[in-house]
Amino acid sequence: ETGVTQTPRHLVMGMTNKKSLKCEQHLGHNAMYWYKQSAKKPLELMFVYNFKEQTENNSVPSRFSPECPNSSHLFLHLHTLQPEDSALYLCASSQDMLVDRETQYFGPGTRLLVL
Amino acid sequence: DAKTTQPNSMESNEEEPVHLPCNHSTISGTDYIHWYRQLPSQGPEYVIHGLTSNVNNRMASLAIAEDRKSSTLILHRATLRDAAVYYCILRGSNSGYALNFGKGTSLLVTP
Repeated sequence: ETGVTQTPRHLVMGMTNKKSLKCEQHLGHNAMYWYKQSAKKPLELMFVYNFKEQTENNSVPSRFSPECPNSSHLFLHLHTLQPEDSALYLCASSQDMLVDRETQYFGPGTRLLVL
Repeated sequence: DAKTTQPNSMESNEEEPVHLPCNHSTISGTDYIHWYRQLPSQGPEYVIHGLTSNVNNRMASLAIAEDRKSSTLILHRATLRDAAVYYCILRGSNSGYALNFGKGTSLLVTP
């Protein structure tokens, strides 16, 4: 247990569906991250929030929409996804963004399949 | 991030120590050395990090060379659960937000 939980753990959705991924951290951290990990590819950073403010949007398509209502919760809203969006979506948190306080703790991920 | 070099794979017997090497000859003076691992079908997991001195925690030890151009992650008694890909990365003030894991070392632990 890393103190970062993600729900659901598995999700199958059609291309016209709307769904949301949820991440919650119980570590008192102030920074939260969304990553995408496709099969046999390195981690791709999608979004970063620091003290609830979005500090990074890594050219992610608008069909992915993040939301960070407070420092403990992070959502990724999904709509009209494509089959190539099928991947493991990972949430992480860190104390903040300063060097030596930015060790990232990951959740177990949501494995998403888009049909 | 400055480049790190790790062997592609290593093998260990269960309950024996494992020494996972990492070369980082272009490390800057303010770069921290971080180790993460990723078990099959799971998210990455932080293992340990250090700057200059050797570090110990409940998971592992990190031995850092005096010139800081290499480091070694030490698992004192490997278990089957330690089979994973281990990533050595450098993190400094100019690293950006993303963790760039590279290919890492795939550790196989045999009973």
